[in-house]
Amino acid sequence: AQTVTQSQPEMSVQEAETVTLSCTYDTSESDYYLFWYKQPPSRQMILVIRQEAYKQQNATENRFSVNFQKAAKSFSLKISDSQLGDAAMYFCAYYSDRTASKLTFGTGTRLQVTL
Amino acid sequence: GAVVSQHPSRVICKSGTSVKIECRSLDFQATTMFWYRQFPKKSLMLMATSNEGSKATYEQGVEKDKFLINHASLTLSTLTVTSAHPEDSSFYICSARDPSVRTDTQYFGPGTRLTVL
Repeated sequence: AQTVTQSQPEMSVQEAETVTLSCTYDTSESDYYLFWYKQPPSRQMILVIRQEAYKQQNATENRFSVNFQKAAKSFSLKISDSQLGDAAMYFCAYYSDRTASKLTFGTGTRLQVTL
Repeated sequence: GAVVSQHPSRVICKSGTSVKIECRSLDFQATTMFWYRQFPKKSLMLMATSNEGSKATYEQGVEKDKFLINHASLTLSTLTVTSAHPEDSSFYICSARDPSVRTDTQYFGPGTRLTVL
């Protein structure tokens, strides 16, 4: 079964600084997708960034970028120029069409942004 | 972008009663919807996958008779918590897949907080 591990329960970053959230996963598939979701205090799940495993190029969305290391099964999220609105729970998630077709979530990392 | 709504956002009920939560895809047809449960400060736990016009597929350990799921149309799925008890109190989130876009992305509803007294 696929597993997603987020080893940092909590992280803190100062406003305008950069922070990296870690995620590792386990799979025997070669074709899959990885996601980072943000859950702010409102509890609404928001898609931050999506990576297709067959693409070597790391995905980027404005201040958010990933470091996707397929061989190492690592998928970290880098937030640049952190803003107060970035404070939230961040969940890493895995999806594969071949296996169950459902999202597998990590345990989450709570990000605090300080002044 | 794709929008998913849930109703109600918050519900309080007495122990032993049943509660229905609705999940709607507002601007797309969702052949597949998902129901999650989230405990405080925890991750999302998939309860079941709901396919339009067919029976839901429940995850291991989820009681089918306790959590009734109906997906009668391409825009509506409902979760009914039957004979609710305090341990059923939780945050319930639905999501929907838009097959016309891509199958890997799910759009999430805002969630429903259920409190059973």
